[in-house]
Amino acid sequence: DTAVSQTPKYLVTQMGNDKSIKCEQNLGHDTMYWYKQDSKKFLKIMFSYNNKELIINETVPNRFSPKSPDKAHLNLHINSLELGDSAVYFCASSHRTGGEETQYFGPGTRLLVL
Amino acid sequence: GQSLEQPSEVTAVEGAIVQINCTYQTSGFYGLSWYQQHDGGAPTFLSYNGLDGLEETGRFSSFLSRSDSYGYLLLQELQMKDSASYFCAVRVNQGGKLIFGQGTELSVKP
Repeated sequence: DTAVSQTPKYLVTQMGNDKSIKCEQNLGHDTMYWYKQDSKKFLKIMFSYNNKELIINETVPNRFSPKSPDKAHLNLHINSLELGDSAVYFCASSHRTGGEETQYFGPGTRLLVL
Repeated sequence: GQSLEQPSEVTAVEGAIVQINCTYQTSGFYGLSWYQQHDGGAPTFLSYNGLDGLEETGRFSSFLSRSDSYGYLLLQELQMKDSASYFCAVRVNQGGKLIFGQGTELSVKP
């Protein structure tokens, strides 16, 4: 009955490799997000999709490419991994109730680039 | 630019009350949220203020003053399990974009 799930939980890889992280939510939400949390715990939005349509695309290197095959899934593909990509990547989903928009986060994917 | 300021760390004892302040400077403002994150865990939603005033949820309350670009999270009857990082986050547009503060690490001592 997991709400927002991500795979893998841990990812250790070499510089220059290409990797993907998958995210699924079973909450029926229309909007999904990718966040990056660095070693200082700074949490920054990268992308957001609403009903499979890209609505937020922050200043992120184009080595990062999100893909949303349907509104319950949002995957993140990273090409040519660099040391600076090491971080925790969180997927989240949200719905709006009145003016409030609560985001539900997945457990995170801990990426270490060597 | 967009910025949120909150203290980097706060220490308090069990049973006490602690207030974590957040001031913000953002282009666009739809509301202020608070999230809790335990070490190794995911951020979890605590509270939201879209209008000025106090919102209470159990031991936690959150306050917003839009005219002062200021809010706070108040934690009462502190418990050891409240030791965590607390993030304020501003929703800056209707698309749900959240700008997060850098987090306040709360340590609750016995």
